Amino acid sequence: KAGVTQTPRYLIKTRGQQVTLSCSPISGHRSVSWYQQTPGQGLQFLFEYFSETQRNKGNFPGRFSGRQFSNSRSEMNVSTLELGDSALYLCASSLEVLGTQYFGPGTRLTVT
Amino acid sequence: QKEVEQDPGPLSVPEGAIVSLNCTYSNSAFQYFMWYRQYSRKGPELLMYTYSSGNKEDGRFTAQVDKSSKYISLFIRDSQPSDSATYLCAMKGTSGTYKYIFGTGTRLKVLA
Repeated sequence: KAGVTQTPRYLIKTRGQQVTLSCSPISGHRSVSWYQQTPGQGLQFLFEYFSETQRNKGNFPGRFSGRQFSNSRSEMNVSTLELGDSALYLCASSLEVLGTQYFGPGTRLTVT
Repeated sequence: QKEVEQDPGPLSVPEGAIVSLNCTYSNSAFQYFMWYRQYSRKGPELLMYTYSSGNKEDGRFTAQVDKSSKYISLFIRDSQPSDSATYLCAMKGTSGTYKYIFGTGTRLKVLA
């Protein structure tokens, strides 16, 4: 079974721009969660989608948003990028809401 | 105080040593406990999953949960250089605190 895939793997953006990251879950998994990972803060939960609806949300500003499509694929958008948004963004899929998380390789975002 | 505390390391051990990795937590609502391994520039990979207290063994890995002390451990026997990675603990609660939270990770180096 194919694992979680994320595209692109690397991104360099300028402060003030916006970015969209994509995640395809494991086949059959309907829940997709997004995390931000930085050396200082570790893994921080952004939000979780299940059946195209946001089910859980972390403590991030409204510049971070997401959506899920009918095929369970998910996108995350960050608007008005700040230098502090530089991080590894990880997507995880699971069978159910807050089920066991299986991670993708991540998208490394650098904001200059 | 963070809900989950994990020593960041690095922890350096010789090949063949027994490694002990630990996390403490403060929320007694957590009932599901996981350990993930993350290699550099990769996403976390699920290693062990336990429910409530007790031990679980899988090959060279043993996960231990002591809910009375709010303390979880991962033991690695006969450690190998290929075990060099960052190990993240994670936990999940159900009623009231239905969320998924990660430790910041312990960096392990196994020296050949």
